[in-house]
Amino acid sequence: DAGVIQSPRHEVTEMGQEVTLRCKPISGHDYLFWYRQTMMRGLELLIYFNNNVPIDDSGMPEDRFSAKMPNASFSTLKIQPSEPRDSAVYFCASSLRLARQFFGPGTRLTVL
Amino acid sequence: LAKTTQPISMDSYEGQEVNITCSHNNIATNDYITWYQQFPSQGPRFIIQGYKTKVTNEVASLFIPADRKSSTLSLPRVSLSDTAVYYCLSNDYKLSFGAGTTVTVRA
Repeated sequence: DAGVIQSPRHEVTEMGQEVTLRCKPISGHDYLFWYRQTMMRGLELLIYFNNNVPIDDSGMPEDRFSAKMPNASFSTLKIQPSEPRDSAVYFCASSLRLARQFFGPGTRLTVL
Repeated sequence: LAKTTQPISMDSYEGQEVNITCSHNNIATNDYITWYQQFPSQGPRFIIQGYKTKVTNEVASLFIPADRKSSTLSLPRVSLSDTAVYYCLSNDYKLSFGAGTTVTVRA
């Protein structure tokens, strides 16, 4: 298995632009998580899905952030409009029945 | 709801044993305790998971007392490559990771 796949690996954009981060979880996993990591706030859980259904999105910072999981093999995290304070590394992870999580390599987002 | 709490940092020397304790006061009956390791510019990586008593694998040991309100990750004979951030995770607070413990191993 290729593990959790995230794209793009790096994204540089200007304030106000829409940003879409993508994630392909490990086949067969039923949970998918989106995290954000910064030096100031550490590793924060943004949202997680179970069987493609959002379970807890209380970590999503504001309405500019949205996440979807249209099927078991794909999820997106969208920021619209983006702001400089959104600059961070965004990780996607998946797991089977809330057991160990497997993390992707992350997307490093820079908003200028 | 109580979060997991763990020390912010720990220093050690090569060959020593490192023990990191995490508290999770409100852990639910069915929840497991999981530890992860993170190197710079990488995602966290699973180290060990347990429910009660003691679990050991090729990398670490995990000690969990009977009340399960805390757990201790033990790294035997650390090397320079064990320098990383270690996270404790339980399901007692929105599946969030703790703040992490930065372990620095010196020669």
